[in-house]
Amino acid sequence: AQSVTQLGSHVSVSEGALVLLRCNYSSSVPPYLFWYVQYPNQGLQLLLKYTTGATLVKGINGFEAEFKKSETSFHLTKPSAHMSDAAEYFCAVSEGSGGYNKLIFGAGTRLAVHP
Amino acid sequence: DVKVTQSSRYLVKRTGEKVFLECVQDMDHENMFWYRQDPGLGLRLIYFSYDVKMKEKGDIPEGYSVSREKKERFSLILESASTNQTSMYLCASSLLRVSEAFFGQGTRLTVV
Repeated sequence: AQSVTQLGSHVSVSEGALVLLRCNYSSSVPPYLFWYVQYPNQGLQLLLKYTTGATLVKGINGFEAEFKKSETSFHLTKPSAHMSDAAEYFCAVSEGSGGYNKLIFGAGTRLAVHP
Repeated sequence: DVKVTQSSRYLVKRTGEKVFLECVQDMDHENMFWYRQDPGLGLRLIYFSYDVKMKEKGDIPEGYSVSREKKERFSLILESASTNQTSMYLCASSLLRVSEAFFGQGTRLTVV
């Protein structure tokens, strides 16, 4: 079974600083990878996804992630943090076959942004 | 836009009660999922369904069952609620294997 590891359950950055949230996965086949964001008392919203093609993926709100097969990583970055980025972030990998898939999630990283 | 609607945002139930959590999606998605979310554990898959009347166990199915009688509706059933089932429950749907899942707003269930 596939698994996802998010390094750091809490990350704190200053407003305007680089955001780096780490995600490593285990997969024996080319994976489909996702980053989701969750604001308080809300469901999950897709930030970006990697399926095939370009390994640098751009998402919403200025976030991007790079798929590195050799490192089995899919780290999320944003050049300049904004107060509104404070939320919980989840990395996920798709597992399945045929016509269905299920997403396996990491434990999440809570991002705090301070002035 | 895809919409996944969960019938309740907050629920309080008593130990031993049978609890139904309802989820409806409006985009004709084949796949539907129930996750539970607990601090420090992320999202754990309880059950999923890839077609009407089809269901598969996820990682933590014990104490739960599901029903999918219509394509758009996926129900999670707690046969006899216990305090360790106090959690946030998230429903999701997706179209294809490479497709992302779309999530509902979540139901925060408290069992007392």
